[in-house]
Amino acid sequence: EAQVTQNPRYLITVTGKKLTVTCSQNMNHEYMSWYRQDPGLGLRQIYYSMNVEVTDKGDVPEGYKVSRKEKRNFPLILESPSPNQTSLYFCASRGNSGYGNTIYFGEGSWLTVV
Amino acid sequence: DAKTTQPPSMDCAEGRAANLPCNHSTISGNEYVYWYRQIHSQGPQYIIHGLKNNETNEMASLIITEDRKSSTLILPHATLRDTAVYYCIVRVVNYGQNFVFGPGTRLSVLP
Repeated sequence: EAQVTQNPRYLITVTGKKLTVTCSQNMNHEYMSWYRQDPGLGLRQIYYSMNVEVTDKGDVPEGYKVSRKEKRNFPLILESPSPNQTSLYFCASRGNSGYGNTIYFGEGSWLTVV
Repeated sequence: DAKTTQPPSMDCAEGRAANLPCNHSTISGNEYVYWYRQIHSQGPQYIIHGLKNNETNEMASLIITEDRKSSTLILPHATLRDTAVYYCIVRVVNYGQNFVFGPGTRLSVLP
């Protein structure tokens, strides 16, 4: 079954304590990205990656890092989380070619920074 | 990517067809129309997409006007589980381009 898997699904952490949200896809997709979703602001892209070792900033990259060492994994790193990073996070991957190349989302990770 | 305009909310009676409109008057010839939905706070789910012909799958139908400036997503027999936010997105099928999600339409299916 085609899947995008995120972990953890729920996390409460304290300001300044580094954390990583993992993302893995089993569809051999080259393109992966991270979004955050906040009330009234919709889905906003944080970072994306077009292939292994190729990453680029999205619309709201401040305070985040990513890495793409393997095709299937695209972790999101918060080096020093702050309360304004409390949000719902989604990882997504997209097909590489063919008609439509639709995007697939993970189930989301609720992050609270206190 | 072309901008889209959707009504912020709609109601539909259970068992009836839900018709969700989307305006994309600045769409260009190589841009597709995609529909996604998000139930509660789950990850957005792909529904359907098309270029200029009408499309149908097991979930929905997509009707695109001849001038391609608007489209309608049709859920033929809405159920309570179809209550969600529905997003209309237009974009080029280009490997590097992002999906930009607007505010969407909040569909409430009423018993």
